[in-house]
Amino acid sequence: KAGVTQTPRYLIKTRGQQVTLSCSPISGHRSVSWYQQTPGQGLQFLFEYFSETQRNKGNFPGRFSGRQFSNSRSEMNVSTLELGDSALYLCASSPTGFETQYFGPGTRLLVL
Amino acid sequence: EDKVVQSPLSLVVHEGDTVTLNCSYEVTNFRSLLWYKQEKKAPTFLFMLTSSGIEKKSGRLSSILDKKELFSILNITATQTGDSAIYLCAVEAFQGAQKLVFGQGTRLTINP
Repeated sequence: KAGVTQTPRYLIKTRGQQVTLSCSPISGHRSVSWYQQTPGQGLQFLFEYFSETQRNKGNFPGRFSGRQFSNSRSEMNVSTLELGDSALYLCASSPTGFETQYFGPGTRLLVL
Repeated sequence: EDKVVQSPLSLVVHEGDTVTLNCSYEVTNFRSLLWYKQEKKAPTFLFMLTSSGIEKKSGRLSSILDKKELFSILNITATQTGDSAIYLCAVEAFQGAQKLVFGQGTRLTINP
């Protein structure tokens, strides 16, 4: 069974630009969650999608948004990038929710 | 504000030792507590705990939750160098929607 895949793996952007990250979950998994990991703040929950609906949301500004498609693939968008958005962005999939999540390898975003 | 605190932040032991990692929390409407192991990039799910006093066990790893005192411990017996990793604790809380709040992690190093 293929694992969770994320594209791209590395990305460099400049302040003010926007970026879209993609996550393909394990086949059959309907829940996709997104996380931001930085050395200073650690791992923080962004949001969770289930069956194309945002079901749960962490405490991030509206510049961070996402969506999920009918095949459960998910995208995360960050608009008007700031230097502080530089981080490792992880997505995780699971059949139902937070239990037994499988994480992808992450996308490392650098904002200059 | 929801808070999850792990201790110690860093621990170095010798192979064969037994270690205990701690996780305390203060969150609104606790739902569950989860433990993860993060070696390179992607965290790996270890346990999900919802009930007090019931030990979850997987090989040399075990964990228990105390909902009265608001903490959990993760025990690793007969440690091996492959146990070296960052161990993350996260609490699922509910405030209008469910969210995961992570602790800072404990960096465990097992020396041969």
